[in-house]
Formats: sequence, structure tokens, C-alpha cells
Amino acid sequence: GESVGLHLPTLSVQEGDNSIINCAYSNSASDYFIWYKQESGKGPQFIIDIRSNMDKRQGQRVTVLLNKTVKHLSLQIAATQPGDSAVYFCAENQRLGGGSNYKLTFGKGTLLTVNP
Amino acid sequence: DGGITQSPKYLFRKEGQNVTLSCEQNLNHDAMYWYRQDPGQGLRLIYYSQIVNDFQKGDIAEGYSVSREKKESFPLTVTSAQKNPTAFYLCASSIYLAGGRGANVLTFGAGSRLTVL
Repeated sequence: GESVGLHLPTLSVQEGDNSIINCAYSNSASDYFIWYKQESGKGPQFIIDIRSNMDKRQGQRVTVLLNKTVKHLSLQIAATQPGDSAVYFCAENQRLGGGSNYKLTFGKGTLLTVNP
Repeated sequence: DGGITQSPKYLFRKEGQNVTLSCEQNLNHDAMYWYRQDPGQGLRLIYYSQIVNDFQKGDIAEGYSVSREKKESFPLTVTSAQKNPTAFYLCASSIYLAGGRGANVLTFGAGSRLTVL
């Protein structure tokens, strides 16, 4: 069935390094993708999104890359800081049935730990 | 400030009891959602509502019920029929349900952690 998954469940990096979090998806009909950050005991927070007609989008210290050929999504965090420690989820915007409504399907998440 | 408020933050329930989790938003969003999160798992959709007085089952609706009598409110009842209710429950909202960049970006509440004793 359709699914969104992650290659690495955990990632540990040193403060100041760049982090790359990966995500695989299987629904080629999805029209855009979102990355969320979830800190311990809190709800997920929006980081950045990208439409399926784009390959790259940059935000503040974050870049999302989309490779539709291999159905792969990645989140790059530059100069990772301790405050970046969290679980990161990718989400895929999927159409519901044959109508015009959509829902988000989330991957399992990657735990990013930043060591000082 | 606009946002989503979930209550209670922590809830303990005895087996066989129904419990209701509250979710209120003041973002003027049409669509609201309930997700369940288990350790090491992604978010799984329980129910969603596109408009007042209408809601649809998500992927794991069995043992849950919802209502949408007001635009701002989308309470979730975890019934005794839910076999494994211990989990972290997240409520979310979006401008509307339709797809396209921005339209379905979810704003989440802080969550409610339910533990069955």
C-alpha cells in the first residue's frame, strides 16, 4: 500500500555539523510534502514544505530536496544546534479516493540528537 | 495568539471507561483532525472533519468517536471498545482539507497523553 518511511530511525551529530534526514515515499500522485519537527512531549511543528513540481526549497538553515525519480525526500539542517534535537517527520499529501480532498500521511520519524 | 488547545495534557483511565479528549482552535480553520502516536511510530489518523456537523473515519477509527458541533471544537472520545488506548493523542487543524501547497499544512496542539491503568 501507500506509505511514507524513513531510512534512518536515529541520527546523532556534533554541534555545528550539517544533518541530513531522509524519507522515502511510494505514492507518486502526492502533490506536496511537509517536514515537521517534534520536541519531546510536544506536538509537531511545521518546518518547511515543497511542491511536487520543485526539486529544492530553502528556508532558514534548512533545505528540502525532492527526487521524484527515486521517490526520495531529504531535510538538510545546516550548522546543527542542540535546539535542533527532536524527532523529524516527513508527511505526504495524499488524495482521498477520487475526490478533491487530501490527507497527510506521516512517516515514522527520525530522532536527531545533537551532541555539544 | 491563535492556536490549538488540547486538554487534559495527562489522563488516566481504568479499563472499561470512556474518556473524552478536548480540542479547541481559534485559528478559524475549517478542517480538524485527530492523530494517535505510539512510541517509535508515525502519526496515524483516527478521524477528520472538513466542516461542522461532518466527519470521516481515518485509518484507525475503531474504538473512537468524535463530534463537530462547532467549528472551533472537535472532541475525541476513546471508548471501552478501543483495545489498546494508551497513547499520545494529537489534535490538528488546517485551513481546509483540499490539497495544494499550504492548504493542508497542519497546526498541531500540544497533545494529550492517555494511560490506561
